[in-house]
Amino acid sequence: EDKVVQSPLSLVVHEGDTVTLNCSYEVTNFRSLLWYKQEKKAPTFLFMLTSSGIEKKSGRLSSILDKKELFSILNITATQTGDSAIYLCAVRHAAGNKLTFGGGTRVLVKP
Amino acid sequence: IAGITQAPTSQILAAGRRMTLRCTQDMRHNAMYWYRQDLGLGLRLIHYSNTAGTTGKGEVPDGYSVSRANTDDFPLTLASAVPSQTSVYFCASSDSDRAGELFFGEGSRLTVL
Repeated sequence: EDKVVQSPLSLVVHEGDTVTLNCSYEVTNFRSLLWYKQEKKAPTFLFMLTSSGIEKKSGRLSSILDKKELFSILNITATQTGDSAIYLCAVRHAAGNKLTFGGGTRVLVKP
Repeated sequence: IAGITQAPTSQILAAGRRMTLRCTQDMRHNAMYWYRQDLGLGLRLIHYSNTAGTTGKGEVPDGYSVSRANTDDFPLTLASAVPSQTSVYFCASSDSDRAGELFFGEGSRLTVL
């Protein structure tokens, strides 16, 4: 059975701190790993990673994939209150368009 | 307004009733999906459609049905609602070229009593 596990479940930090979120997976026929941010309602797309060691960056957010050890991390530097959200990791299978999501990490950034 | 529209945004219904959640997209995406989100369980795929006229089962399809008569619409029907179907339901779509990048609707919160 395909699994995507995120850790920690939740964390509380203060503005300016650095946050590291983890995502491990056991998926047959891996194609890509994706990160989403869910603030209030709809999740919104952050990154798609397909190759090991490739780090994606977007401002203060970055993510890296390790296909050998089957995990990814999402880093947020210099956190702001607007970074408070649930961060979701998902894996896309090689066959078809389906994604398997992890349970998410809830991040709260205090002023 | 470009994107995905879901209706209703919230609904309470009695167990045993039939309910259809509506989803419409105007991005001409081929693929559409229905997920449910429950605390601690993340998003779980109910049904999906890779193109108009075709549908497939996801992780948790029991008790739900879908149809895809055209590109834009992808309704989800609960034939006889049960309390375990209380959840937040998200419709999503994706372009064939970037199938991992889902665009989500705002969600429909359903409570079955």
